Amino acid sequence: DIQLTQSPSFLSASVGDRVTITCRASQGISSYLAWYQQKPGKAPKLLIYAASTLQSGVPSRFSGSGSGTEFTLTISSLQPEDFATYYCQQLNSYPSTFGQGTRLEIK
Amino acid sequence: QVQLVESGGGVVQPGGSLRLSCAASGFTFRSYGMHWVRQAPGKGLEWVAFIRYDGSNKNSADSVKGRFTISRDNSKNTLYLQMNSLRTEDTAVYYCAKDFTIFGVVMMPFDYWGQGTLVTVSS
Repeated sequence: DIQLTQSPSFLSASVGDRVTITCRASQGISSYLAWYQQKPGKAPKLLIYAASTLQSGVPSRFSGSGSGTEFTLTISSLQPEDFATYYCQQLNSYPSTFGQGTRLEIK
Repeated sequence: QVQLVESGGGVVQPGGSLRLSCAASGFTFRSYGMHWVRQAPGKGLEWVAFIRYDGSNKNSADSVKGRFTISRDNSKNTLYLQMNSLRTEDTAVYYCAKDFTIFGVVMMPFDYWGQGTLVTVSS
């Protein structure tokens, strides 16, 4: 199975900050990577797919990049509603796997 | 609008069974692959199972293989997860989720999720 490792696992930041979350795959997955945002008690929400394509309706302050084994999710200017947990997911092969999550909290 | 509504969760003893349902509306259910994903309390997301739009192909995680069965009834716009031989480690919120692309033949991201149903396995 392909393992995804996110870093950091926990991130404290302020409104207006630029933050980057990294997701590393245990083997190459081309661009078959998605990013999700999850708020407490809610279902995950798709933010980015194919490593860098923004899902419809997602603010442009979110961006994704990478291919192969290293990927990043960047939020250019944090807004209060962005404080949540973020997960990457590989879609290269079954079983699909998720990273362990990055919890983004207000400093 | 797309809606996915899970039901069937509850408390069950180890070794017991449950069947989860996911009622879909707002899209052409028979044209999309569907998934189950679970999340243990305070933990991350774990993909559980997939079924192709026509039911002809299925996949499941090793952790549930041989115990859980995914199925669908396209005439009822409903997805199912039959869970047998339940273990305490199966305790989680179970989400159903929809494939991003119609008639997908490769793995797709999940663009809509239900609100989840809680399964608690405890004696």
